[in-house]
Amino acid sequence: DTEVTQTPKHLVMGMTNKKSLKCEQHMGHRAMYWYKQKAKKPPELMFVYSYEKLSINESVPSRFSPECPNSSLLNLHLHALQPEDSALYLCASSQRAGKNIQYFGAGTRLSVL
Amino acid sequence: LAKTTQPISMDSYEGQEVNITCSHNNIATNDYITWYQQFPSQGPRFIIQGYKTKVTNEVASLFIPADRKSSTLSLPRVSLSDTAVYYCLVGRRTGNQFYFGTGTSLTVIP
Repeated sequence: DTEVTQTPKHLVMGMTNKKSLKCEQHMGHRAMYWYKQKAKKPPELMFVYSYEKLSINESVPSRFSPECPNSSLLNLHLHALQPEDSALYLCASSQRAGKNIQYFGAGTRLSVL
Repeated sequence: LAKTTQPISMDSYEGQEVNITCSHNNIATNDYITWYQQFPSQGPRFIIQGYKTKVTNEVASLFIPADRKSSTLSLPRVSLSDTAVYYCLVGRRTGNQFYFGTGTSLTVIP
């Protein structure tokens, strides 16, 4: 099983809402990632978790709050987003720190109104 | 981290071999070269990874010259379903940071 599952597939939220994106993998991977991808642009790294600890935060605004409850789950909590935050949010995982073959989920398409 | 440069777009006819080159002039000793494929509204999918010389798997080949400042992804006999964006990444073997280049949009024509 090489699947990374992201829910929901689509999300529409207002600027005052609080919502969460969920990512799950059962491959025993110990590194998990969040990326943001705008239309016709490459994915941009946001956060990296290694062994359930946040190891990289690419200067992401605090309205994005990641959480890694266990080695299989990764959440991205959203609060007070702006319309420019509308994008495809991708989750990925890899075996461990340093193994850079990443497996990606299909993403959550987020629209902020 | 090494920056990558790729052609923005390429067209090819079905059945032809396609070669996509990626330039990474400041690649470091520990960096590996990885290629991903992405279809619209899907996450990137791993294609192939290499460090030097040539790597081949069931879908592609990766050619890396001795100076490692560039690499070429070779797709044999492309079909319409190979129409996608192809990204070259250069990342540290001991790190978790991966930065996608601009990618190459490949269009396969019937």
